[in-house]
Parts: sequence; C-alpha cells; structure tokens
Amino acid sequence: DAMVIQNPRYQVTQFGKPVTLSCSQTLNHNVMYWYQQKSSQAPKLLFHYYDKDFNNEADTPDNFQSRRPNTSFCFLDIRSPGLGDAAMYLCATSRDGQGGYNEQFFGPGTRLTVL
Amino acid sequence: AQSVTQLGSHVSVSEGALVLLRCNYSSSVPPYLFWYVQYPNQGLQLLLKYTSAATLVKGINGFEAEFKKSETSFHLTKPSAHMSDAAEYFCAVLTGGGNKLTFGTGTQLKVEL
Repeated sequence: DAMVIQNPRYQVTQFGKPVTLSCSQTLNHNVMYWYQQKSSQAPKLLFHYYDKDFNNEADTPDNFQSRRPNTSFCFLDIRSPGLGDAAMYLCATSRDGQGGYNEQFFGPGTRLTVL
Repeated sequence: AQSVTQLGSHVSVSEGALVLLRCNYSSSVPPYLFWYVQYPNQGLQLLLKYTSAATLVKGINGFEAEFKKSETSFHLTKPSAHMSDAAEYFCAVLTGGGNKLTFGTGTQLKVEL
C-alpha cells in the first residue's frame, strides 16, 4: 500500500544534542510537509517542500532545518533541541501544492522526548 | 485570512448516541474544508473533505458533515457513537493558495457506556 512512513516512531535525545527525524513516502507526491504538534494542541506547520523548493513558515525557529534529497525522502533536523521542542512531529504529503484542493496524507508521527 | 474554530474542546456522548462536533470557518472565498481524526500517538487520518461538489459530505466510519454557507459551518456528525470513535478530531481549512492546512484547536471525543 502507498503510504507515508516515519522513523523512528519514538526518539529520545538530550538537551542540545542534534537529532534528525526521517520521513519517506511511496505516493510519489510533489509536496512534503513537516508539522509540530505539542500535547493537546493542533498541528502547526513548520515548513514544506514543493518538489525541491523549500517554503519556511515565518515563525519557524532557525533551530529547525529540513532536507529533501529526492522525491521520496524528507528529513527534519533539530540542531539544538530544547525542552520546549518535545512534541509529536508529523510528516505529510500531497500531490500538488498549487491551487485547487490538496488532500494531505499523514504519517504516524515521531514522538520526540528531550531530556 | 482563512481559519476554522472548533467549539468545545471536549465532547462526551453515550455509546449509541448522536455525535455532533462543531466547526465554523472564516473565509472570503469558497473554502476547502477537512475533518481529520487522530488516535493516541498516531498521525492524522482523513475522515472527509468538502471541495464544493456537494454540501453533504459522507466520510469513513459512518461520519458525515454538511457545509452550510449561511452559517459558515461544517459540523461533523455520526448518528450512533461507538466506543472506537473516541479520539481527537480536527477541522481544517486549506489556505495559502492550496498548500497549507490550518487546523482548529481540536475536539476530544469521549464515548461512554
């Protein structure tokens, strides 16, 4: 089945230690998104890629970076995690980001714990 | 700017009772609206979507929603709640030229015996 895969499902890191979260998709979608979801809150968009074009949200901290080496993979890098970065990180994809409606397909998420 | 508001952060119903989760939108153009469900420690699953084709939209797991322009609403309903419906539900609107989902604050649904 075509899907969005996130690894690992649970990640524990230390305060200030860089961490990378991974997302892959078999849907061959153009657009990939990263959301941060803190406890009991709605998902908040951090950034998205339309093909290779990177689109950062204005309020996304510089501590968060992303890479998309190819259509299938996208990575979220947190350079120096703080306690406030503990959250569920959701990856999503959609077929096309220009106009119309674009259903987003979500992965299962990676829950990040910062010690 | 387009946005959605979900009234009621927590809703509790009895098993077999009607489920009604409220969502109101704010948009100056015809919106594209979605309802997602999230089970604990999982990603979001699409329940249904409104894309202007029909005002009454049927989704998975027996859920449906009706788009009412006069009330700027897109409430989610299910005639008979099941224990497995207990989850968090998010209403969302597509913004930013079609490449950004803006979510409501979510409604936690509890189903009691």
